Amino acid sequence: NAGVMQNPRHLVRRRGQEARLRCSPMKGHSHVYWYRQLPEEGLKFMVYLQKENIIDESGMPKERFSAEFPKEGPSILRIQQVVRGDSAAYFCASSPPGGRPNTEAFFGQGTRLTVV
Amino acid sequence: AQTVTQSQPEMSVQEAETVTLSCTYDTSESDYYLFWYKQPPSRQMILVIRQEAYKQQNATENRFSVNFQKAAKSFSLKISDSQLGDAAMYFCAYRTIQGAQKLVFGQGTRLTINP
Repeated sequence: NAGVMQNPRHLVRRRGQEARLRCSPMKGHSHVYWYRQLPEEGLKFMVYLQKENIIDESGMPKERFSAEFPKEGPSILRIQQVVRGDSAAYFCASSPPGGRPNTEAFFGQGTRLTVV
Repeated sequence: AQTVTQSQPEMSVQEAETVTLSCTYDTSESDYYLFWYKQPPSRQMILVIRQEAYKQQNATENRFSVNFQKAAKSFSLKISDSQLGDAAMYFCAYRTIQGAQKLVFGQGTRLTINP
């Protein structure tokens, strides 16, 4: 059973370009969380999605950031018109449907976004 | 909103010795979950240990144990017989049982193991 797969692992974008980060949850998992980790900081919650639904996006910046988790295919975190401050590691975590809160959230290895 | 504080940005310990990493949190909830995650240079987040707030017994996992003081809102991690492979960033995290059940992380403690 493959773990949570994120790609790419490293992404370099020029200011003003779009960044697309992909996350394939573990097989059977229908809940996806996105977190951002700035250098030398802990992970910060961004958004929580279930298949085809955004459940909680309270941690998402109001502009330029969007997320989706379609019925088929990976979850996508999209950052439009990137700025240097978007440089960070972005992590995806998945958990199964109906999971209790003590259930381990399985993390991917993250995508390190560098904006130049 | 819940907050998690790790007051030790860096810690070091001699190999085979014991080290304790501190974590405090703030919440108005009575039921929740607490976790310690390890992040080695590979960036992979690895679950070390978990504690359910309604359980008084402290969780243990081999060389890893916690000291959970609910009234003090304290959740420290003790690593016994430290090994070189324990070197990593360690993050304390809080998870609510309500709503999105998202994780709230502390700032992390960088642990160095001296041979």
